[in-house]
Amino acid sequence: ETGVTQTPRHLVMGMTNKKSLKCEQHLGHNAMYWYKQSAKKPLELMFVYNFKEQTENNSVPSRFSPECPNSSHLFLHLHTLQPEDSALYLCASSLGTGFNEKLFFGSGTQLSVL
Amino acid sequence: QQQVKQSPQSLIVQKGGISIINCAYENTAFDYFPWYQQFPGKGPALLIAIRPDVSEKKEGRFTISFNKSAKQFSLHIMDSQPGDSATYFCAASPSGSRLTFGEGTQLTVNP
Repeated sequence: ETGVTQTPRHLVMGMTNKKSLKCEQHLGHNAMYWYKQSAKKPLELMFVYNFKEQTENNSVPSRFSPECPNSSHLFLHLHTLQPEDSALYLCASSLGTGFNEKLFFGSGTQLSVL
Repeated sequence: QQQVKQSPQSLIVQKGGISIINCAYENTAFDYFPWYQQFPGKGPALLIAIRPDVSEKKEGRFTISFNKSAKQFSLHIMDSQPGDSATYFCAASPSGSRLTFGEGTQLTVNP
């Protein structure tokens, strides 16, 4: 898969650790997103970036801190997480931030918080 | 109002059979209805999408049926194959807002 790449694929961290998730898209898109996927629950949109600027934050707790240095890279910095934050974190990109844009997802980072 | 209810949660179909996944919504402002397919270890990928001005859209073995009055839409997979085994998500969005996803259906197609 070369469109949207996420690292690491798996991450185990303690509640006091600080870690970062990385996403890179090679599609020339201008918008990037973070989603949270928990078992048997709908995908939850966390953040939206357009041309490096954050345009949406869906009431995400401050222990999740996104960073978008350019249109191709997106990070999610994690600190003082809770066990209920364990989930698959998906990065996505789209050409623009129009509401019916086709989303291209990465394979995700499976996060376990102990 | 923003919810999309998806059923069944899991589905087992024999090879060659028809797989049917249903979604229902309340918000009459929804005007875009995509389906995403997710294989194990991969992210979701757009499979097919429909707008409410048509009642059906077909792409190969995949068909979306849309019933505006009942506020329901469904995905039909004809001649289901083991390679179709995946999790399927319906979604919907109103004009000017983001997608709301269903809870997903895990489809298993037995050989």
